[in-house]
Amino acid sequence: QKEVEQDPGPLSVPEGAIVSLNCTYSNSAFQYFMWYRQYSRKGPELLMYTYSSGNKEDGRFTAQVDKSSKYISLFIRDSQPSDSATYLCAMSAYGANNLFFGTGTRLTVIP
Amino acid sequence: DTGVSQDPRHKITKRGQNVTFRCDPISEHNRLYWYRQTLGQGPEFLTYFQNEAQLEKSRLLSDRFSAERPKGSFSTLEIQRTEQGDSAMYLCASSPGNEQFFGPGTRLTVL
Repeated sequence: QKEVEQDPGPLSVPEGAIVSLNCTYSNSAFQYFMWYRQYSRKGPELLMYTYSSGNKEDGRFTAQVDKSSKYISLFIRDSQPSDSATYLCAMSAYGANNLFFGTGTRLTVIP
Repeated sequence: DTGVSQDPRHKITKRGQNVTFRCDPISEHNRLYWYRQTLGQGPEFLTYFQNEAQLEKSRLLSDRFSAERPKGSFSTLEIQRTEQGDSAMYLCASSPGNEQFFGPGTRLTVL
C-alpha cells in the first residue's frame, strides 16, 4: 500500500464549477500538507501549505485537512480553463526531509 | 527570475553515457532536494542537502548516482552508465523550512 493515495482521474468539469480533489494517507506522523499544480512538462508549483488539521483559504482555493480520517482535500471555486493541470498532494512528517506525493489528479476545465 | 533554476531542461543520451544536471536554488534557501518523476507518477525523493552537507539519501539513489552541493550553493546530480530505466524528469527543490519550491526540471531520455 502506498503511503499517499490519490485518484488519478482524469476529471473534466465545465468552467465555473467547483472542483474537489482528495488524497488519503496511511502514516499518522504526517503533519505538513501541501498541494502542488503541475502543468504538462513543467515543475510542480506550490499552491497551498497547511500544518496539522484545519482549513486554509487563498483566493479561489481552499485546503482542508482531517487528520482523524487521514484525508485531505483541495477545493477550487469558479474553475477556469487555466486551472487545467495535474494537481499533486504532498505531505511530510515533523522533522522529516522528504515529501511523499500522490500520483496526481489530471483536471480539465472545459470553456 | 528568483525561482529555482535547472540546467539543462532536456537531455538525450545513449545508454552507458554519463550525464550531469545542475540546480541553482533560491538564494536564501539552505535546504536543497532532488526528486525523480516518471510519467503518471508523483515525484519521488532522491536526496537532501542542508547547506553543503548531504544528510539523507533514498534507496532509489543507486551507486550510479551521485550528488554534490559544494559551498552550499548550486547542486549537481550525476548519473553514471545511464540505463533506459533512468529516463525521467529530475526535479530540484529548495526550501527555507518545510515548504519546498520546485524548479522546472530536467527531462532525461536514455536511448
